[in-house]
Amino acid sequence: DAGVIQSPRHEVTEMGQEVTLRCKPISGHNSLFWYRQTMMRGLELLIYFNNNVPIDDSGMPEDRFSAKMPNASFSTLKIQPSEPRDSAVYFCASNRQGSDNEQFFGPGTRLTVL
Amino acid sequence: AQSVTQPDIHITVSEGASLELRCNYSYGATPYLFWYVQSPGQGLQLLLKYFSGDTLVQGIKGFEAEFKRSQSSFNLRKPSVHWSDAAEYFCAVGGNYGQNFVFGPGTRLSVLP
Repeated sequence: DAGVIQSPRHEVTEMGQEVTLRCKPISGHNSLFWYRQTMMRGLELLIYFNNNVPIDDSGMPEDRFSAKMPNASFSTLKIQPSEPRDSAVYFCASNRQGSDNEQFFGPGTRLTVL
Repeated sequence: AQSVTQPDIHITVSEGASLELRCNYSYGATPYLFWYVQSPGQGLQLLLKYFSGDTLVQGIKGFEAEFKRSQSSFNLRKPSVHWSDAAEYFCAVGGNYGQNFVFGPGTRLSVLP
């Protein structure tokens, strides 16, 4: 299994630009999670999907952030417009709901907003 | 609300010494408990997990953790630390359907040669 795949691995952009992060969960997993990791705030759950439906987006910081899961094998996290304080590592994780609940993490996308 | 605390931000041990990383949680129902490790520049890898049954659970890389309900704790231990164990360690708690999944702030482990 290829594991959770995230792209890009690194993204550098300028303030005000739109940023799209991508995630491909492990095949057969029906839950997908987006996290943000910063030195100041640690690891924060932004949103999670179950069977492609957003279940809890209470961690999404503001309206500039949006996430979609158009099908079981793909999800995006979009920031529009981006701001320097959005600089962080963004992780995607997936698991199979109803199993032993372990989340499998992707390698992360390091976002730098100048 | 659910929460996880890891009282130690940074711990330094000598190679070969024993290790205990502390984790305390607050959760309104039966918790599912996890320990993850993150090496620099890497994603998170599961070390071990507890759902029910034996309160002492064994994980990968020689780690173990003990669930103590009375103390709301799930401390991670290793009898002899290796230099390759230097990393960030996260305790997490969640519900049985992935909801309310919360990570602790992490403990950074340094290992002296």
